[in-house]
Amino acid sequence: NAGVTQTPKFQVLKTGQSMTLQCAQDMNHNSMYWYRQDPGMGLRLIYYSASEGTTDKGEVPNGYNVSRLNKREFSLRLESAAPSQTSVYFCASSSGGAYNEQFFGPGTRLTVL
Amino acid sequence: QKEVEQDPGPLSVPEGAIVSLNCTYSNSAFQYFMWYRQYSRKGPELLMYTYSSGNKEDGRFTAQVDKSSKYISLFIRDSQPSDSATYLCAPRSGSARQLTFGSGTQLTVLP
Repeated sequence: NAGVTQTPKFQVLKTGQSMTLQCAQDMNHNSMYWYRQDPGMGLRLIYYSASEGTTDKGEVPNGYNVSRLNKREFSLRLESAAPSQTSVYFCASSSGGAYNEQFFGPGTRLTVL
Repeated sequence: QKEVEQDPGPLSVPEGAIVSLNCTYSNSAFQYFMWYRQYSRKGPELLMYTYSSGNKEDGRFTAQVDKSSKYISLFIRDSQPSDSATYLCAPRSGSARQLTFGSGTQLTVLP
Protein backbone atom coordinates (compact mmCIF):
# COMPACT_ATOMS: atom_id res chain seq x y z
CA ASN A 1 0.00 0.00 0.00
CA ALA A 2 1.90 3.05 -1.28
CA GLY A 3 -0.45 5.77 0.06
CA VAL A 4 0.30 9.07 -1.70
CA THR A 5 3.14 9.14 -4.21
CA GLN A 6 4.69 12.18 -5.87
CA THR A 7 7.05 12.56 -8.79
CA PRO A 8 9.63 13.91 -9.20
CA LYS A 9 11.31 14.16 -5.79
CA PHE A 10 13.63 16.97 -6.90
CA GLN A 11 13.60 19.38 -9.82
CA VAL A 12 15.61 22.39 -10.92
CA LEU A 13 14.08 24.71 -13.50
CA LYS A 14 15.14 27.89 -15.19
CA THR A 15 12.85 30.92 -15.10
CA GLY A 16 10.17 30.58 -17.75
CA GLN A 17 10.31 26.81 -18.08
CA SER A 18 7.23 24.71 -17.48
CA MET A 19 6.73 21.45 -15.66
CA THR A 20 4.06 19.19 -14.20
CA LEU A 21 4.18 17.66 -10.75
CA GLN A 22 2.43 14.33 -10.54
CA CYS A 23 0.50 12.92 -7.58
CA ALA A 24 -1.34 9.64 -7.15
CA GLN A 25 -3.13 7.99 -4.23
CA ASP A 26 -4.28 4.42 -3.79
CA MET A 27 -6.61 4.91 -0.81
CA ASN A 28 -9.76 5.55 -2.87
CA HIS A 29 -10.04 9.07 -1.42
CA ASN A 30 -12.38 11.57 -2.99
CA SER A 31 -10.46 14.73 -2.07
CA MET A 32 -6.97 15.73 -3.11
CA TYR A 33 -4.87 18.81 -2.37
CA TRP A 34 -1.73 20.61 -3.44
CA TYR A 35 0.25 22.65 -0.90
CA ARG A 36 3.49 24.56 -0.94
CA GLN A 37 5.69 24.87 2.14
CA ASP A 38 8.12 27.73 2.60
CA PRO A 39 10.25 28.55 5.66
CA GLY A 40 8.20 30.47 8.24
CA MET A 41 5.04 30.25 6.13
CA GLY A 42 3.73 26.80 6.98
CA LEU A 43 1.65 24.88 4.47
CA ARG A 44 -0.34 27.01 2.07
CA LEU A 45 -3.07 25.51 -0.07
CA ILE A 46 -2.65 26.05 -3.80
CA TYR A 47 -5.60 24.09 -5.23
CA TYR A 48 -7.83 21.29 -4.11
CA SER A 49 -10.24 18.84 -5.68
CA ALA A 50 -13.21 17.79 -3.59
CA SER A 51 -14.08 14.99 -5.99
CA GLU A 52 -13.25 13.70 -9.44
CA GLY A 53 -14.08 16.35 -12.02
CA THR A 54 -13.97 19.36 -9.67
CA THR A 55 -11.16 21.71 -8.70
CA ASP A 56 -11.09 24.86 -6.58
CA LYS A 57 -8.57 27.56 -5.83
CA GLY A 58 -6.88 27.70 -2.47
CA GLU A 59 -4.94 30.48 -0.80
CA VAL A 60 -2.13 30.86 -3.38
CA PRO A 61 -3.30 29.69 -6.85
CA ASN A 62 -1.60 32.30 -9.05
CA GLY A 63 0.93 30.82 -11.47
CA TYR A 64 -0.43 27.28 -11.15
CA ASN A 65 -2.97 25.06 -12.87
CA VAL A 66 -4.27 21.65 -11.84
CA SER A 67 -5.91 18.65 -13.43
CA ARG A 68 -7.86 15.94 -11.64
CA LEU A 69 -7.18 13.25 -14.20
CA ASN A 70 -9.22 10.58 -12.44
CA LYS A 71 -10.00 9.62 -8.86
CA ARG A 72 -6.39 8.54 -8.21
CA GLU A 73 -4.39 11.30 -9.88
CA PHE A 74 -4.10 15.04 -9.35
CA SER A 75 -1.39 16.99 -11.18
CA LEU A 76 -0.02 20.50 -10.65
CA ARG A 77 1.37 22.47 -13.59
CA LEU A 78 3.67 25.47 -13.58
CA GLU A 79 3.30 27.10 -17.00
CA SER A 80 6.12 29.64 -16.69
CA ALA A 81 8.20 29.05 -13.57
CA ALA A 82 9.40 32.00 -11.49
CA PRO A 83 12.00 32.10 -8.68
CA SER A 84 9.14 32.86 -6.24
CA GLN A 85 7.86 29.35 -6.93
CA THR A 86 10.95 27.79 -5.37
CA SER A 87 9.44 25.70 -2.61
CA VAL A 88 8.61 22.22 -1.37
CA TYR A 89 5.34 20.97 -2.85
CA PHE A 90 3.15 18.45 -1.06
CA CYS A 91 0.20 16.54 -2.38
CA ALA A 92 -2.38 15.17 0.04
CA SER A 93 -5.59 13.19 -0.06
CA SER A 94 -8.49 12.68 2.32
CA SER A 95 -11.74 10.77 2.55
CA GLY A 96 -13.60 13.57 4.35
CA GLY A 97 -15.25 13.06 7.72
CA ALA A 98 -15.30 15.36 10.72
CA TYR A 99 -11.55 15.77 11.02
CA ASN A 100 -10.86 15.36 7.31
CA GLU A 101 -7.55 13.61 8.04
CA GLN A 102 -5.18 14.37 5.21
CA PHE A 103 -2.49 11.93 4.12
CA PHE A 104 0.56 13.55 2.61
CA GLY A 105 3.05 12.48 0.01
CA PRO A 106 6.82 12.80 0.48
CA GLY A 107 7.04 16.14 -1.32
CA THR A 108 8.79 17.58 -4.37
CA ARG A 109 11.66 20.01 -3.82
CA LEU A 110 11.59 22.56 -6.64
CA THR A 111 14.23 25.19 -7.31
CA VAL A 112 13.67 27.85 -9.96
CA LEU A 113 16.82 29.69 -11.02
CA GLN B 1 -2.82 39.00 10.41
CA LYS B 2 -2.74 35.26 9.81
CA GLU B 3 -5.74 33.19 10.86
CA VAL B 4 -3.46 30.84 12.81
CA GLU B 5 -0.31 31.99 14.59
CA GLN B 6 2.32 29.61 15.88
CA ASP B 7 5.69 30.32 17.45
CA PRO B 8 8.23 28.87 14.98
CA GLY B 9 10.84 28.12 17.62
CA PRO B 10 13.24 26.39 17.35
CA LEU B 11 12.66 24.79 20.73
CA SER B 12 15.30 22.55 22.32
CA VAL B 13 14.60 20.52 25.45
CA PRO B 14 16.41 17.72 27.30
CA GLU B 15 15.05 14.18 27.11
CA GLY B 16 12.30 13.61 29.66
CA ALA B 17 11.11 17.22 29.71
CA ILE B 18 7.50 18.29 29.38
CA VAL B 19 6.98 20.22 26.16
CA SER B 20 4.24 22.76 25.53
CA LEU B 21 3.48 23.79 21.94
CA ASN B 22 0.90 26.48 21.28
CA CYS B 23 -1.18 28.19 18.61
CA THR B 24 -3.59 31.08 18.63
CA TYR B 25 -6.30 31.61 16.06
CA SER B 26 -8.70 34.36 15.06
CA ASN B 27 -11.54 32.50 13.30
CA SER B 28 -14.28 31.75 15.83
CA ALA B 29 -15.85 29.28 13.36
CA PHE B 30 -13.05 26.76 13.92
CA GLN B 31 -14.49 23.65 15.57
CA TYR B 32 -12.06 20.85 14.75
CA PHE B 33 -8.48 21.08 15.90
CA MET B 34 -5.69 18.89 14.60
CA TRP B 35 -1.98 18.58 15.27
CA TYR B 36 0.27 17.26 12.53
CA ARG B 37 3.86 16.10 13.06
CA GLN B 38 6.43 16.50 10.31
CA TYR B 39 9.82 14.83 10.43
CA SER B 40 12.65 16.39 8.50
CA ARG B 41 12.26 16.01 4.73
CA LYS B 42 8.98 14.11 5.10
CA GLY B 43 5.31 14.94 4.63
CA PRO B 44 3.18 15.84 7.67
CA GLU B 45 1.16 13.13 9.40
CA LEU B 46 -1.83 13.48 11.71
CA LEU B 47 -0.85 13.17 15.38
CA MET B 48 -3.88 14.27 17.42
CA TYR B 49 -7.31 15.70 16.89
CA THR B 50 -9.99 17.15 19.12
CA TYR B 51 -13.38 18.73 18.76
CA SER B 52 -14.38 22.08 20.29
CA SER B 53 -13.06 22.93 23.75
CA GLY B 54 -11.49 20.51 26.19
CA ASN B 55 -8.66 18.03 26.49
CA LYS B 56 -7.80 14.83 24.70
CA GLU B 57 -5.05 12.50 25.83
CA ASP B 58 -3.23 9.85 23.79
CA GLY B 59 -0.28 8.25 25.53
CA ARG B 60 2.34 10.92 26.19
CA PHE B 61 0.45 13.51 24.15
CA THR B 62 -2.35 15.80 25.31
CA ALA B 63 -4.22 18.21 23.04
CA GLN B 64 -6.02 21.10 24.69
CA VAL B 65 -8.37 23.69 23.20
CA ASP B 66 -9.66 26.83 24.87
CA LYS B 67 -12.19 28.34 22.45
CA SER B 68 -12.92 31.29 24.73
CA SER B 69 -9.36 32.55 24.33
CA LYS B 70 -8.82 30.95 20.88
CA TYR B 71 -5.80 29.05 22.16
CA ILE B 72 -4.64 25.55 21.13
CA SER B 73 -1.97 23.57 22.98
CA LEU B 74 -0.14 20.29 22.56
CA PHE B 75 1.69 18.85 25.58
CA ILE B 76 4.29 16.12 25.32
CA ARG B 77 5.22 14.33 28.53
CA ASP B 78 8.50 12.45 29.00
CA SER B 79 9.77 13.77 25.68
CA GLN B 80 12.02 11.49 23.63
CA PRO B 81 14.63 12.20 20.93
CA SER B 82 12.21 10.52 18.49
CA ASP B 83 9.78 13.40 19.16
CA SER B 84 12.19 15.76 17.40
CA ALA B 85 10.12 17.13 14.52
CA THR B 86 8.09 20.14 13.43
CA TYR B 87 4.59 20.31 14.91
CA LEU B 88 1.84 22.07 13.00
CA CYS B 89 -1.56 23.00 14.38
CA ALA B 90 -4.40 22.80 11.86
CA PRO B 91 -7.88 23.97 12.81
CA ARG B 92 -10.93 23.65 10.60
CA SER B 93 -14.41 25.10 10.61
CA GLY B 94 -17.41 22.81 10.31
CA SER B 95 -18.29 24.03 6.82
CA ALA B 96 -14.83 24.08 5.27
CA ARG B 97 -13.15 21.11 3.65
CA GLN B 98 -9.69 22.57 3.84
CA LEU B 99 -7.44 22.97 6.87
CA THR B 100 -5.64 26.14 7.90
CA PHE B 101 -2.12 25.25 8.98
CA GLY B 102 0.02 27.14 11.46
CA SER B 103 3.61 27.79 10.40
CA GLY B 104 4.90 24.99 12.65
CA THR B 105 7.19 24.80 15.70
CA GLN B 106 10.48 22.99 15.28
CA LEU B 107 11.24 20.84 18.34
CA THR B 108 14.52 19.12 19.18
CA VAL B 109 14.73 16.73 22.13
CA LEU B 110 18.32 16.28 23.21
CA PRO B 111 19.44 12.88 24.57
